[in-house]
Amino acid sequence: AQSVTQLGSHVSVSEGALVLLRCNYSSSVPPYLFWYVQYPNQGLQLLLKYTSAATLVKGINGFEAEFKKSETSFHLTKPSAHMSDAAEYFCAVITGNQFYFGTGTSLTVIP
Amino acid sequence: NAGVTQTPKFRVLKTGQSMTLLCAQDMNHEYMYWYRQDPGMGLRLIHYSVGEGTTAKGEVPDGYNVSRLKKQNFLLGLESAAPSQTSVYFCASRQAPEQYFGPGTRLTVT
Repeated sequence: AQSVTQLGSHVSVSEGALVLLRCNYSSSVPPYLFWYVQYPNQGLQLLLKYTSAATLVKGINGFEAEFKKSETSFHLTKPSAHMSDAAEYFCAVITGNQFYFGTGTSLTVIP
Repeated sequence: NAGVTQTPKFRVLKTGQSMTLLCAQDMNHEYMYWYRQDPGMGLRLIHYSVGEGTTAKGEVPDGYNVSRLKKQNFLLGLESAAPSQTSVYFCASRQAPEQYFGPGTRLTVT
Protein backbone atom coordinates (compact mmCIF):
# COMPACT_ATOMS: atom_id res chain seq x y z
CA ALA A 1 0.00 0.00 0.00
CA GLN A 2 1.03 3.56 -0.58
CA SER A 3 2.16 5.68 2.33
CA VAL A 4 3.38 9.17 2.91
CA THR A 5 5.72 10.31 5.68
CA GLN A 6 6.03 13.92 6.74
CA LEU A 7 9.10 14.57 8.86
CA GLY A 8 8.46 17.11 11.58
CA SER A 9 4.97 17.66 12.91
CA HIS A 10 5.86 21.25 13.80
CA VAL A 11 8.17 23.63 11.96
CA SER A 12 8.94 27.20 12.99
CA VAL A 13 10.61 29.75 10.75
CA SER A 14 11.23 33.46 10.97
CA GLU A 15 9.39 35.77 8.64
CA GLY A 16 11.46 36.08 5.46
CA ALA A 17 13.32 32.81 6.02
CA LEU A 18 13.26 29.72 3.83
CA VAL A 19 10.40 27.30 4.37
CA LEU A 20 11.19 23.59 3.92
CA LEU A 21 8.56 20.96 4.66
CA ARG A 22 9.55 17.36 4.06
CA CYS A 23 7.56 14.57 2.46
CA ASN A 24 8.66 11.07 1.52
CA TYR A 25 6.49 8.52 -0.19
CA SER A 26 6.61 4.79 -0.65
CA SER A 27 5.72 3.60 -4.08
CA SER A 28 7.01 1.13 -6.59
CA VAL A 29 5.92 3.35 -9.46
CA PRO A 30 6.05 7.12 -9.83
CA PRO A 31 2.87 8.34 -8.20
CA TYR A 32 0.76 11.44 -8.38
CA LEU A 33 1.74 13.64 -5.42
CA PHE A 34 0.05 16.62 -3.84
CA TRP A 35 0.57 19.29 -1.23
CA TYR A 36 -2.46 20.74 0.50
CA VAL A 37 -2.72 23.62 2.97
CA GLN A 38 -5.29 23.90 5.74
CA TYR A 39 -5.96 27.17 7.52
CA PRO A 40 -7.66 27.05 10.94
CA ASN A 41 -11.25 25.83 10.83
CA GLN A 42 -11.20 25.42 7.08
CA GLY A 43 -11.04 22.61 4.54
CA LEU A 44 -7.97 21.64 2.57
CA GLN A 45 -6.82 23.72 -0.38
CA LEU A 46 -4.56 22.41 -3.12
CA LEU A 47 -1.13 24.07 -3.19
CA LEU A 48 0.44 22.09 -6.02
CA LYS A 49 0.54 18.70 -7.67
CA TYR A 50 3.01 16.44 -9.43
CA THR A 51 1.61 14.39 -12.28
CA SER A 52 4.79 13.01 -13.92
CA ALA A 53 5.48 16.04 -16.07
CA ALA A 54 8.13 18.52 -14.84
CA THR A 55 9.91 17.42 -11.66
CA LEU A 56 9.91 20.97 -10.27
CA VAL A 57 6.34 21.99 -9.64
CA LYS A 58 5.24 25.53 -8.90
CA GLY A 59 2.12 26.18 -6.90
CA ILE A 60 0.14 29.00 -5.42
CA ASN A 61 1.40 31.58 -2.93
CA GLY A 62 5.05 31.19 -4.04
CA PHE A 63 5.39 27.54 -3.01
CA GLU A 64 7.14 24.93 -5.08
CA ALA A 65 8.11 21.28 -4.72
CA GLU A 66 10.62 19.04 -6.39
CA PHE A 67 9.95 15.40 -7.19
CA LYS A 68 13.08 13.31 -6.61
CA LYS A 69 12.54 9.71 -7.61
CA SER A 70 15.94 8.55 -6.32
CA GLU A 71 15.10 9.87 -2.85
CA THR A 72 11.33 9.13 -3.04
CA SER A 73 10.80 12.68 -1.84
CA PHE A 74 8.52 15.59 -2.66
CA HIS A 75 9.63 18.38 -0.32
CA LEU A 76 7.78 21.70 -0.26
CA THR A 77 9.72 24.95 -0.25
CA LYS A 78 9.17 28.68 -0.27
CA PRO A 79 12.10 31.11 -0.43
CA SER A 80 10.68 33.67 1.98
CA ALA A 81 8.07 32.93 4.63
CA HIS A 82 5.18 35.30 5.18
CA MET A 83 3.00 35.54 8.25
CA SER A 84 0.04 34.39 6.17
CA ASP A 85 1.82 31.07 5.50
CA ALA A 86 1.12 29.90 9.05
CA ALA A 87 -1.10 26.83 8.58
CA GLU A 88 -1.11 23.04 8.50
CA TYR A 89 0.39 21.40 5.42
CA PHE A 90 -0.39 17.91 4.17
CA CYS A 91 1.40 15.81 1.61
CA ALA A 92 -0.71 13.21 -0.20
CA VAL A 93 -0.31 10.45 -2.75
CA ILE A 94 -2.96 8.81 -4.87
CA THR A 95 -3.14 5.18 -5.86
CA GLY A 96 -6.07 3.97 -7.88
CA ASN A 97 -9.01 5.94 -6.57
CA GLN A 98 -7.73 6.44 -3.03
CA PHE A 99 -5.70 9.28 -1.56
CA TYR A 100 -3.28 8.70 1.30
CA PHE A 101 -2.34 11.68 3.43
CA GLY A 102 0.61 12.33 5.66
CA THR A 103 0.03 13.28 9.28
CA GLY A 104 0.63 16.94 8.56
CA THR A 105 3.17 19.63 9.44
CA SER A 106 2.11 22.70 11.36
CA LEU A 107 4.04 25.75 10.18
CA THR A 108 4.56 28.66 12.56
CA VAL A 109 5.98 31.92 11.23
CA ILE A 110 7.75 34.08 13.80
CA PRO A 111 7.66 37.84 13.23
CA ASN B 1 -20.73 27.83 -8.10
CA ALA B 2 -20.73 26.76 -4.44
CA GLY B 3 -18.21 23.92 -4.89
CA VAL B 4 -18.45 21.36 -2.09
CA THR B 5 -20.78 22.08 0.81
CA GLN B 6 -21.33 20.12 4.03
CA THR B 7 -24.29 20.07 6.37
CA PRO B 8 -24.26 20.54 9.34
CA LYS B 9 -21.13 22.47 10.36
CA PHE B 10 -21.28 21.40 14.00
CA ARG B 11 -23.10 18.66 15.86
CA VAL B 12 -23.08 17.16 19.33
CA LEU B 13 -24.44 13.64 19.76
CA LYS B 14 -24.93 11.38 22.71
CA THR B 15 -23.49 7.88 22.57
CA GLY B 16 -25.85 5.58 20.68
CA GLN B 17 -27.62 8.30 18.72
CA SER B 18 -27.65 8.30 14.94
CA MET B 19 -27.13 11.04 12.41
CA THR B 20 -26.44 11.70 8.74
CA LEU B 21 -23.91 14.11 7.32
CA LEU B 22 -24.70 15.56 3.91
CA CYS B 23 -22.14 16.45 1.27
CA ALA B 24 -23.21 18.22 -1.90
CA GLN B 25 -21.19 19.27 -4.94
CA ASP B 26 -22.24 21.29 -7.95
CA MET B 27 -19.25 20.54 -10.17
CA ASN B 28 -20.66 17.37 -11.76
CA HIS B 29 -17.77 15.29 -10.40
CA GLU B 30 -18.03 11.53 -10.51
CA TYR B 31 -15.86 10.78 -7.50
CA MET B 32 -16.71 11.73 -3.93
CA TYR B 33 -14.97 10.94 -0.64
CA TRP B 34 -15.53 11.08 3.09
CA TYR B 35 -12.56 11.56 5.44
CA ARG B 36 -12.10 12.02 9.14
CA GLN B 37 -9.37 14.23 10.57
CA ASP B 38 -7.95 13.60 14.01
CA PRO B 39 -5.01 15.37 15.69
CA GLY B 40 -1.68 13.89 14.66
CA MET B 41 -3.25 11.42 12.24
CA GLY B 42 -3.86 13.45 9.12
CA LEU B 43 -6.89 12.59 7.02
CA ARG B 44 -8.11 9.03 6.84
CA LEU B 45 -10.48 7.80 4.18
CA ILE B 46 -13.78 6.40 5.46
CA HIS B 47 -15.71 5.60 2.27
CA TYR B 48 -15.73 6.81 -1.28
CA SER B 49 -17.83 6.64 -4.43
CA VAL B 50 -16.79 6.47 -8.07
CA GLY B 51 -20.22 7.35 -9.38
CA GLU B 52 -23.92 7.53 -8.68
CA GLY B 53 -25.14 4.36 -7.02
CA THR B 54 -21.65 3.10 -6.10
CA THR B 55 -19.77 3.10 -2.80
CA ALA B 56 -16.55 1.53 -1.56
CA LYS B 57 -14.76 1.15 1.75
CA GLY B 58 -11.70 3.17 2.60
CA GLU B 59 -9.17 2.85 5.37
CA VAL B 60 -11.50 3.28 8.39
CA PRO B 61 -15.06 2.28 7.37
CA ASP B 62 -16.25 0.58 10.57
CA GLY B 63 -19.20 2.27 12.24
CA TYR B 64 -20.12 4.29 9.16
CA ASN B 65 -22.40 3.78 6.18
CA VAL B 66 -22.73 5.83 3.01
CA SER B 67 -25.11 6.31 0.12
CA ARG B 68 -24.81 8.00 -3.26
CA LEU B 69 -28.34 8.03 -4.64
CA LYS B 70 -27.76 11.22 -6.62
CA LYS B 71 -24.55 12.20 -8.36
CA GLN B 72 -24.32 15.50 -6.54
CA ASN B 73 -24.88 14.15 -3.02
CA PHE B 74 -22.87 11.79 -0.82
CA LEU B 75 -24.32 10.95 2.60
CA LEU B 76 -22.37 9.64 5.58
CA GLY B 77 -24.35 7.90 8.31
CA LEU B 78 -23.53 6.98 11.87
CA GLU B 79 -26.06 4.41 13.09
CA SER B 80 -24.93 4.29 16.72
CA ALA B 81 -22.45 7.02 17.57
CA ALA B 82 -19.48 6.29 19.81
CA PRO B 83 -17.06 8.70 21.51
CA SER B 84 -14.32 7.36 19.21
CA GLN B 85 -16.19 8.97 16.32
CA THR B 86 -15.58 12.43 17.71
CA SER B 87 -13.70 14.06 14.86
CA VAL B 88 -13.81 16.59 12.06
CA TYR B 89 -15.32 15.10 8.93
CA PHE B 90 -14.40 16.32 5.47
CA CYS B 91 -16.07 15.57 2.20
CA ALA B 92 -14.30 15.94 -1.13
CA SER B 93 -15.17 15.57 -4.77
CA ARG B 94 -12.67 14.77 -7.45
CA GLN B 95 -11.94 15.88 -10.97
CA ALA B 96 -8.88 13.78 -11.75
CA PRO B 97 -6.36 14.06 -10.42
CA GLU B 98 -7.36 16.75 -7.91
CA GLN B 99 -9.73 16.71 -4.97
CA TYR B 100 -11.85 19.64 -3.85
CA PHE B 101 -12.71 19.76 -0.17
CA GLY B 102 -15.70 20.98 1.75
CA PRO B 103 -15.37 23.13 4.89
CA GLY B 104 -15.84 20.24 7.31
CA THR B 105 -18.27 19.10 10.00
CA ARG B 106 -17.11 19.07 13.61
CA LEU B 107 -18.81 16.19 15.43
CA THR B 108 -18.59 15.57 19.15
CA VAL B 109 -19.97 12.39 20.69
CA THR B 110 -20.42 12.49 24.46
